[in-house]
Amino acid sequence: QVRLQESGPGLVKPSQTLSLTCTVSGGSISSGDYCWTWIRQLPGKGLEWIGYINYSGSTYYNPSLKSRLTISIDTSKNQFSLKLDSVTAADTAVYYCAREGYSDSSGYYAILDSWGQGTLVAVSS
Amino acid sequence: EIVLTQSPGTLSLSPGERVTLSCRASQSVGVYYLAWYQQKPGQAPRLLIYGASRRATGIPDRFSGSGSGTDFTLTISRLEPEDFAVYYCQQYARSYTFGQGTKVEIK
Repeated sequence: QVRLQESGPGLVKPSQTLSLTCTVSGGSISSGDYCWTWIRQLPGKGLEWIGYINYSGSTYYNPSLKSRLTISIDTSKNQFSLKLDSVTAADTAVYYCAREGYSDSSGYYAILDSWGQGTLVAVSS
Repeated sequence: EIVLTQSPGTLSLSPGERVTLSCRASQSVGVYYLAWYQQKPGQAPRLLIYGASRRATGIPDRFSGSGSGTDFTLTISRLEPEDFAVYYCQQYARSYTFGQGTKVEIK
């Protein structure tokens, strides 16, 4: 069973870069069957999809974050990472990494079937 | 962007009751591109339903999903104590968006 674990600083200063890493265990990040995704949850609010990367490094970003966002992958470490530039207090959230992709007899579904436990990142001086 | 609107915002119910949650999309997402997740406090969301009506692995059969186009429903046939949580719908037809959630709380 695949497991995902987020890591990174819990506090970032305004205007700086938020950096998080997701370590995948119990499965290879190089599998072509999945996309590796970041989602965030603002305090007391719902979920916001941030973006994903696949094994070959192709990315797809939320247009509202695209200008500040970089997602990368390191297959040698079975990790993928998020960098969000020029953060403000509005970026304070619990950040989750997740695996997208599920197949059954009827086909492939771009749903999030495995999630990390989440990590709270606060943006404050 | 496809906007998902969930209703109601909060439901106050007792164990054993039947629950029906609604998710309405601002434009059609077809029949295969809608999922439901359950989230408990301090936990990550858990996939319940995908393809509008298919239960994910290990999900009890008291959970069922239905709908197509712009109107979708998650039904819990008989509430168990562990079902009190927030439920989110998600579309993956055009990019990815989530509804704002419905909280099912103990009455």
